[in-house]
Amino acid sequence: DTAVSQTPKYLVTQMGNDKSIKCEQNLGHDTMYWYKQDSKKFLKIMFSYNNKELIINETVPNRFSPKSPDKAHLNLHINSLELGDSAVYFCASSQWARETQYFGPGTRLLVL
Amino acid sequence: GIQVEQSPPDLILQEGANSTLRCNFSDSVNNLQWFHQNPWGQLINLFYIPSGTKQNGRLSATTVATERYSLLYISSSQTTDSGVYFCAPTFMNYGGSQGNLIFGKGTKLSVKP
Repeated sequence: DTAVSQTPKYLVTQMGNDKSIKCEQNLGHDTMYWYKQDSKKFLKIMFSYNNKELIINETVPNRFSPKSPDKAHLNLHINSLELGDSAVYFCASSQWARETQYFGPGTRLLVL
Repeated sequence: GIQVEQSPPDLILQEGANSTLRCNFSDSVNNLQWFHQNPWGQLINLFYIPSGTKQNGRLSATTVATERYSLLYISSSQTTDSGVYFCAPTFMNYGGSQGNLIFGKGTKLSVKP
């Protein structure tokens, strides 16, 4: 069983479109995260979320919004996609906010 | 501002050689993780090591939080060790309570047969 899964693995879309990336964890963890890896392989936190609190990195545009239908899922919605949004997006989870984080396989987004 | 610096940025080894990767960080940390990103892009958790030393097979890690550095040792390297190694602490004064990992730029390791 995959601990942290993401769909889709690849996403190619046009500028201006709205898209979503899904993330599910079956580890029973309380906290989930989204990270962005740019073309230079630099990884940066976008959001952290548990059932009580959403923390947003101040550099993330408000076109990005996480939505959590339940404790096992944290989906990422992106509105009005821009060329600069092209990157690999990783979902992660941990039991508590300070514990070991486990990463999903990533979603490679290409905006044309 | 907070910084995570990894060295060396690139490393080429012959299979069987040993190596040490270093991570320096600029402030007090809650925890620290080491990851291996394989050539297929998957991020694999190697160690959760806010302090002390841990070993897992040919890999071991040491974090000296008071001196703000961590080391990753790879012994008897294999071609499958190739990829990028990331150090990622959480800082007490920068989202540490939320678990926000702050990644270094990584060390790209190539192990030649």
